[in-house]
Amino acid sequence: DAGVIQSPRHEVTEMGQEVTLRCKPISGHNSLFWYRQTMMRGLELLIYFNNNVPIDDSGMPEDRFSAKMPNASFSTLKIQPSEPRDSAVYFCASSQRGVGEKLFFGSGTQLSVL
Amino acid sequence: KQEVTQIPAALSVPEGENLVLNCSFTDSAIYNLQWFRQDPGKGLTSLLLIQSSQREQTSGRLNASLDKSSGRSTLYIAASQPGDSATYLCAEGTYKYIFGTGTRLKVLA
Repeated sequence: DAGVIQSPRHEVTEMGQEVTLRCKPISGHNSLFWYRQTMMRGLELLIYFNNNVPIDDSGMPEDRFSAKMPNASFSTLKIQPSEPRDSAVYFCASSQRGVGEKLFFGSGTQLSVL
Repeated sequence: KQEVTQIPAALSVPEGENLVLNCSFTDSAIYNLQWFRQDPGKGLTSLLLIQSSQREQTSGRLNASLDKSSGRSTLYIAASQPGDSATYLCAEGTYKYIFGTGTRLKVLA
């Protein structure tokens, strides 16, 4: 299996622009997570999907952030408009059943908002 | 608020040493605990998962233990190698894992 696939690996954009991050989970996994990692705050869970349905989005920082999972093999995280404080590494992770299961992470998207 | 703390933040050891990384958490009703490894510029790799009914897990040179009563988990690495150099993170939770800030390990050849 190719693992969790994220794109792009790096994204540099200007403040105010829309940013879309993409994720393909491991085939057969029904839980998907978006995390953000910064030096100051470490790893934070942004949103959790189970069977393509958002279960917990309490970690989404504000309305500028939105996430979708239109099918079992694809998810997006969108930031609009982007701000410099959104600069971070964004990780997507998946697991087979969500609860009590190993998490498998993608390689992340390094986002820089200038 | 749940918190996960890892001490030390950084550690350098000579090759061949056995070492212990520590993780403490405030949530007494812990469900599961995972140990991850993160290499620079890469994602996290799950090393060991201890489910709530378990006390320890082993994989090769790695052994992780969980003591709910004291709110602690330890990751034991036997006969460390330069390839073990990475950041090690622990995370506690169910689906909503709370991550520690990690221990940066450097194993010197």
